[in-house]
Amino acid sequence: DGGITQSPKYLFRKEGQNVTLSCEQNLNHDAMYWYRQDPGQGLRLIYYSQIVNDFQKGDIAEGYSVSREKKESFPLTVTSAQKNPTAFYLCASMDQVAYEQYFGPGTRLTVT
Amino acid sequence: AQTVTQSQPEMSVQEAETVTLSCTYDTSESDYYLFWYKQPPSRQMILVIRQEAYKQQNATENRFSVNFQKAAKSFSLKISDSQLGDAAMYFCAYRIPYYGGSQGNLIFGKGTKLSVKP
Repeated sequence: DGGITQSPKYLFRKEGQNVTLSCEQNLNHDAMYWYRQDPGQGLRLIYYSQIVNDFQKGDIAEGYSVSREKKESFPLTVTSAQKNPTAFYLCASMDQVAYEQYFGPGTRLTVT
Repeated sequence: AQTVTQSQPEMSVQEAETVTLSCTYDTSESDYYLFWYKQPPSRQMILVIRQEAYKQQNATENRFSVNFQKAAKSFSLKISDSQLGDAAMYFCAYRIPYYGGSQGNLIFGKGTKLSVKP
């Protein structure tokens, strides 16, 4: 089955630690995205990548970093510089023919 | 800047009845795409329906249909014969076409929480 996987589903970290969220897709999509979801805020774009070895900042990139070394993978690192990292993180990839984004199941990050 | 507004934070519908969720957006573009996504308690985002701005005909997917009013920049979702499984957060989203220099990302409204009463 084609799709997007994110791991882990729940992640707990101590303040001051960097943490990396995994996102893998086997849909053969070039474009991939990371969103952050907070209660009452909808989804906000953190980073996106339109092609391997290239990525761009979204609306709330501060305190985050990404890499895109393979087409299938787009990991997100939440650094200690992110002031309020506790949130639900969603990864997506886009079908550039139908212009539709497909989402992974998300990772709930809790930092204490 | 493009914005998406969902003015109903919460809605409720009786099972088997019809409900309409509202969405308005602001853009200066003439060619764009609109989407409704459903997020059930599992938090998996599921595409419900899409509409291309150049198409005058309203999109329909089984019990889900939209009322797209381009001049009014309105994009409402109608759910007919509501079922208990329709209970979820519903997000309206806007996207400009994906071409050179464009982000292609989605701009989301803040969502409407739909409850379905048995």
